[in-house]
Amino acid sequence: EVQLVESGGGLVKPGGSLRLSCAASGFTFSYYTMHWVRQAPGKGLEWVSSITSGGTYIYYADSLKGRFTISRDNAENSLYLQMNSLRVEDTGVYYCASARGHVGPNPFDIWGQGTMVSVSS
Amino acid sequence: DIQMTQSPSSLSASVGDRVTISCRASQGIINYLAWYQQKPGKVPKLLIYAASTLQSGVPSRFSGSGSGTDFTLTISSLHPEDVATYYCQKYNSALSITFGQGTRLEIK
Repeated sequence: EVQLVESGGGLVKPGGSLRLSCAASGFTFSYYTMHWVRQAPGKGLEWVSSITSGGTYIYYADSLKGRFTISRDNAENSLYLQMNSLRVEDTGVYYCASARGHVGPNPFDIWGQGTMVSVSS
Repeated sequence: DIQMTQSPSSLSASVGDRVTISCRASQGIINYLAWYQQKPGKVPKLLIYAASTLQSGVPSRFSGSGSGTDFTLTISSLHPEDVATYYCQKYNSALSITFGQGTRLEIK
């Protein structure tokens, strides 16, 4: 079964850090670009970051201003998001998503169940 | 950055109605446009990609059209289980991926 499972969310104080993980199974993880998407409570979807299959190219939403770092370990079939200097407005559900398909840009075909990040004093 | 604008932001329709949701890109994106369905409390699900290609397993009452800057998601006959928020997404470049603000669909 094709699956993505996030972990690492929790409650953290403003200025704190968290590292999210996403474990992939059921497909050849190393072939595909992976993404993080977040959703604030009651709000829409917001793309956070992308990393290409080999990790060569990495992109972030402008709003993050260098606070987040995406990485992957293809040997472990895992995707990560290191989040530093967390703010209240970073609160929300964080999803990892795969973009499998032909060579070139692909939509997000598989999503994890999400992990909740709460930033509050 | 290319902005994605959906309309309407919400709508209410009756079972069996034909429903259309629009998505406009601020610049041309060829056909790199996807539609997602998110039911309350659930994970987003890919419905349509490349503007008009139905994802495997998605009911045929869903269809997409458009290219360039103007796109449409159509539900030919609304079912009760279609209650959800629908998002368009441009994915022409991993450098900047953008979702529309969402359209909440309810049953009248």
